[in-house]
Amino acid sequence: KQEVTQIPAALSVPEGENLVLNCSFTDSAIYNLQWFRQDPGKGLTSLLLIQSSQREQTSGRLNASLDKSSGRSTLYIAASQPGDSATYLCAAVDDKIIFGKGTRLHILP
Amino acid sequence: GAGVSQSPSNKVTEKGKDVELRCDPISGHTALYWYRQSLGQGLEFLIYFQGNSAPDKSGLPSDRFSAERTGGSVSTLTIQRTQQEDSAVYLCASSLVRELFFGEGSRLTVL
Repeated sequence: KQEVTQIPAALSVPEGENLVLNCSFTDSAIYNLQWFRQDPGKGLTSLLLIQSSQREQTSGRLNASLDKSSGRSTLYIAASQPGDSATYLCAAVDDKIIFGKGTRLHILP
Repeated sequence: GAGVSQSPSNKVTEKGKDVELRCDPISGHTALYWYRQSLGQGLEFLIYFQGNSAPDKSGLPSDRFSAERTGGSVSTLTIQRTQQEDSAVYLCASSLVRELFFGEGSRLTVL
């Protein structure tokens, strides 16, 4: 049974810092790994999708990596901004889609 | 529409009443998912539709919950005899090739 864990559960960093969010999964037989952000009271917005054959994806200040052999994905946010404050969730995609509980990120102005 | 649309955005109901939540997926997306997110909790899988295949209902928490998808498009999640523990945000997502796109959710409050 797939389990997805995100560490840390919460993170506060000063504006401008680079940061890394971690996602680990127990079953490496995944199809995709998808990262989302969720603002309070809102739905989930897709940030990056990494297919199982890929190692990383980049979009603007965001870079996501995938290491299936170790069951890990990381989301790197460069030059953080207060607008990046949100909850970030990862999802392991196979026949089922299993979400982690998320990392609540707060960027301090 | 361009994205996944859910209605109502907010629903307040009394314990014991039935509610229906609607999801209109992105046009052409063959897969549709329902999730539940309770306050401060992660996403709980409820049900998954893929094309004309039988839905995966393994996440439905009780027989008070049911869902249907008509014509491979719009889906309705029905909760009968609502209980206070059903209060949550119900999120719908659709996908074509296993990349999920979510709606804004329906917030259900059971008094």
